[in-house]
Amino acid sequence: AQSVTQPDIHITVSEGASLELRCNYSYGATPYLFWYVQSPGQGLQLLLKYFSGDTLVQGIKGFEAEFKRSQSSFNLRKPSVHWSDAAEYFCAVVPYSGGYQKVTFGIGTKLQVIP
Amino acid sequence: NAGVMQNPRHLVRRRGQEARLRCSPMKGHSHVYWYRQLPEEGLKFMVYLQKENIIDESGMPKERFSAEFPKEGPSILRIQQVVRGDSAAYFCASSPIATGAQNTGELFFGEGSRLTVL
Repeated sequence: AQSVTQPDIHITVSEGASLELRCNYSYGATPYLFWYVQSPGQGLQLLLKYFSGDTLVQGIKGFEAEFKRSQSSFNLRKPSVHWSDAAEYFCAVVPYSGGYQKVTFGIGTKLQVIP
Repeated sequence: NAGVMQNPRHLVRRRGQEARLRCSPMKGHSHVYWYRQLPEEGLKFMVYLQKENIIDESGMPKERFSAEFPKEGPSILRIQQVVRGDSAAYFCASSPIATGAQNTGELFFGEGSRLTVL
């Protein structure tokens, strides 16, 4: 069964600093990979996704993520964090099989942004 | 609003009562998923339904929990005889085709229903 690891439960960065949130997955083949963001009291919103092709994917709100097959990682980055980026971020994976497969989420990383 | 609609947003129940959570998927989506979220535990898959069919209920507790997605109307997650441990946020998501099929996997989430059991 696939699994997703987000090793950092809480991260604090200063506004304007760069950000990298880590995500590692365990699965035999390359799955589809996603990052979602959840603001307090809200549902999850898709930031970006990777299916195939270019390993650096761009998303909304200035985020990007890089797929590294050799490290089974899909880390999320942003060059300059804004206070409005304070939220919880979830990495998710789903195996590609041509048919239904369950989406598995990581535990989430809570981002705090300080002035 | 064409998004996933969940209600109620907040629900308070006493131990032993029943909780019913409703979810209307996005227009054109016939695949519905329920997740439970507890603090620092992430989202846990509960059940995946299509119209009138339960496809995957591998995450559903064996007792007290049930889900349906009738031909007409919203999907319903039902929790009977609630206990304090059922207190959580329950999220519904929908998709136009099943997750895992080619070039898919994106889920569209509602804002959740937060259940508090007293």
